[in-house]
Amino acid sequence: AQSVTQLGSHVSVSEGALVLLRCNYSSSVPPYLFWYVQYPNQGLQLLLKYTTGATLVKGINGFEAEFKKSETSFHLTKPSAHMSDAAEYFCAVSDAANFGNEKLTFGTGTRLTIIP
Amino acid sequence: KAGVTQTPRYLIKTRGQQVTLSCSPISGHRSVSWYQQTPGQGLQFLFEYFSETQRNKGNFPGRFSGRQFSNSRSEMNVSTLELGDSALYLCASSLRNRGELFFGEGSRLTVL
Repeated sequence: AQSVTQLGSHVSVSEGALVLLRCNYSSSVPPYLFWYVQYPNQGLQLLLKYTTGATLVKGINGFEAEFKKSETSFHLTKPSAHMSDAAEYFCAVSDAANFGNEKLTFGTGTRLTIIP
Repeated sequence: KAGVTQTPRYLIKTRGQQVTLSCSPISGHRSVSWYQQTPGQGLQFLFEYFSETQRNKGNFPGRFSGRQFSNSRSEMNVSTLELGDSALYLCASSLRNRGELFFGEGSRLTVL
């Protein structure tokens, strides 16, 4: 069974500061990993994904994440926070070895607040 | 290219009633998944359909059901509504079997 743990349900950073949202996963097979963002009263939007290959992946809005197999982590970072980054962020994992399995297992989310 | 469209966006029902939610995927996407989002339980997988066949099902009671039509549009139904069914129901579609889901804005169900 797969699982995702997001450390910190709420994170606050100052505008211009580094954003770091933590995600650890558990999977018995090589995982596909994702970060999604959700703005109020909206659905989820894909920020970035890791499937295979390069372990540092870049996404939209200046975000990036690094897949570290030894640490089973996929932390999300952004060098300089912007007010528009305030939202809820979800880390998710899928069972890549089970071809055709569209099911994503989500973490509980991290609400990011940006302090002016 | 139009995104995933869910209707209705908001609805209020009373306990014991049933509800049907609709989802139109992105054109060309044949896989449609449904998720329930609540403050307490977070995002939970309901089921996934591909070419009118349910390929995967989450751990929900039989009151929750779904189907997919030949044009890939999908519906989900919840019968005998309970207060705990109040949630945001999210539909997502995908083009390939790699978990890159494209979500709609959701249908917010309130059960009174």
